Amino acid sequence: SQQGEEDPQALSIQEGENATMNCSYKTSINNLQWYRQNSGRGLVHLILIRSNEREKHSGRLRVTLDTSKKSSSLLITASRAADTASYFCATASDSWGKLQFGAGTQVVVTP
Amino acid sequence: DVKVTQSSRYLVKRTGEKVFLECVQDMDHENMFWYRQDPGLGLRLIYFSYDVKMKEKGDIPEGYSVSREKKERFSLILESASTNQTSMYLCASSLFGRGDYNEQFFGPGTRLTVL
Repeated sequence: SQQGEEDPQALSIQEGENATMNCSYKTSINNLQWYRQNSGRGLVHLILIRSNEREKHSGRLRVTLDTSKKSSSLLITASRAADTASYFCATASDSWGKLQFGAGTQVVVTP
Repeated sequence: DVKVTQSSRYLVKRTGEKVFLECVQDMDHENMFWYRQDPGLGLRLIYFSYDVKMKEKGDIPEGYSVSREKKERFSLILESASTNQTSMYLCASSLFGRGDYNEQFFGPGTRLTVL
């Protein structure tokens, strides 16, 4: 069953702009992760935020987590054409390491 | 760097054929996963394994089986391929029992077409 739901489904921006996408989930979590997938390839892990954290940064990425609203957001600042990809949130709710993925947000960054 | 490899990037099979998808990881990870990815549905877990010879069903195990005879290798088997199993198949691995540090490392995917 799908846990995370990303919003928007698609996003088109110009280089240099910021891109924001949101993820909502249904059950309590241990952590929430964001992944990137370039066209037709495997997923690459971007960032993990634990349930007791509210904000995390990694380079041009900023992730927030609001467990009371069961939601997270991923902000990519100063977007580049190379950021064109699909972005997925994934939640971890058990100790086995299983993840539940959302359907993803497709981001297109035009030069 | 963790490397997860999958045996084929593209595969075309006929309905009723038995299909084997192989996945190998080189980082001594305990956990291995098989997902299928379809447009608009994200990734759905088919099976996962947390140890050699151990397997657990995911969300959509019907029509699939798995084998894990060695720690580094996890195979997905379609016993009798059907057209609705046409999809992108992704393998992933992660450390076991790391609680908050269970990021998954993905292979490049196998795009399977069943005719």
